[in-house]
Amino acid sequence: ETGVTQSPTHLIKTRGQQVTLRCSSQSGHNTVSWYQQALGQGPQFIFQYYREEENGRGNFPPRFSGLQFPNYSSELNVNALELDDSALYLCASSTGQLSGANVLTFGAGSRLTVL
Amino acid sequence: AQSVTQLGSHVSVSEGALVLLRCNYSSSVPPYLFWYVQYPNQGLQLLLKYTTGATLVKGINGFEAEFKKSETSFHLTKPSAHMSDAAEYFCAVNKAQGAQKLVFGQGTRLTINP
Repeated sequence: ETGVTQSPTHLIKTRGQQVTLRCSSQSGHNTVSWYQQALGQGPQFIFQYYREEENGRGNFPPRFSGLQFPNYSSELNVNALELDDSALYLCASSTGQLSGANVLTFGAGSRLTVL
Repeated sequence: AQSVTQLGSHVSVSEGALVLLRCNYSSSVPPYLFWYVQYPNQGLQLLLKYTTGATLVKGINGFEAEFKKSETSFHLTKPSAHMSDAAEYFCAVNKAQGAQKLVFGQGTRLTINP
């Protein structure tokens, strides 16, 4: 089975620009979550999608938005980029009914640098 | 609200020595607890998890952790460190119901000395 794949792996943007990050979930997984990991920090929950609907959101402003597609792949969009948005963005997928016990399978991440 | 504190941002041990990575959590409801490992340029990989039942949990690569409710701790141990264990380790907590919103600690970087 294929794991979680993310693209692009690295990208550089300037302040004020917009970025779209993509994630293909593991085969058979119907839930996708996005996390932001700043340098030297633990990952922080951005939001989760379950069956194409947002199901839970962390403390991130509305300029962070997402989509989940019928094939359960997902996009993370960030508008009006700020310097503090520089981070590793991790996508994770899982399967089954929503439960805190479900194991998340993480991708390798997209590293965003904002100049 | 839930939170996780990992004591020691950097731990260094000799190869063959005991590994002990400390994690304390705060949760208003019974928690689910996880340890993840992150190797350079890779995503997070699950080492082990505690949900219910036996409080001593065994994971992959010889790691184990014990849930101690009275101490609100979930420390990770391995009897004998191997060079391949060098990585960043994250403790995380989640509520039992609803969104799978993991709350992570800040991480502990484990270095193994030959």
